[in-house]
Amino acid sequence: RKEVEQDPGPFNVPEGATVAFNCTYSNSASQSFFWYRQDCRKEPKLLMSVYSSGNEDGRFTAQLNRASQYISLLIRDSKLSDSATYLCVVNWGNTGKLIFGQGTTLQVKP
Amino acid sequence: ETGVTQSPTHLIKTRGQQVTLRCSSQSGHNTVSWYQQALGQGPQFIFQYYREEENGRGNFPPRFSGLQFPNYSSELNVNALELDDSALYLCASSLAGRGYTFGSGTRLTVV
Repeated sequence: RKEVEQDPGPFNVPEGATVAFNCTYSNSASQSFFWYRQDCRKEPKLLMSVYSSGNEDGRFTAQLNRASQYISLLIRDSKLSDSATYLCVVNWGNTGKLIFGQGTTLQVKP
Repeated sequence: ETGVTQSPTHLIKTRGQQVTLRCSSQSGHNTVSWYQQALGQGPQFIFQYYREEENGRGNFPPRFSGLQFPNYSSELNVNALELDDSALYLCASSLAGRGYTFGSGTRLTVV
């Protein structure tokens, strides 16, 4: 089993659509979770941290289910500029070692 | 506040050669991590340095080595380069593991 698993996609959606990405992780001792965004040939950039209570930042909502070891990212009202790869990231057992999923590619079309 | 800077941005090396990549951490950050990202994959953790000591290592062979300097900048050294070492190498800095900022990476091609 991979340490952090994501559906690689690609997800092709029209502008305005709602899209959800899922991620599972295998280390139950992990305490910190993140979603990063990576544009083509660029470095990953922090999109948002993920908290147990769930958190929202504008059109983006992140959820964490510790019991199921499952993380999600919901994007509402998709924009063309949301087209990118979204990386699920786990701070492995809180060691500072970040474990990345393979990434999910989103393509938003007009 | 300066971000994380990496050099060089691009590099082409021949199989068997050695390479050194450099990273200047964000001001105030004392922890540096290095990652390898192959095409179409997520970044893979190589190792991490905290206050000049390695304090975590991923599944990479010993020919991948590193250093952290008193000013918290860092180097990644790779000996005996192999074709599969071709990748984007990313450096990330943080303050004791709180919040990670990535540099724009060094794209290494081994021919």
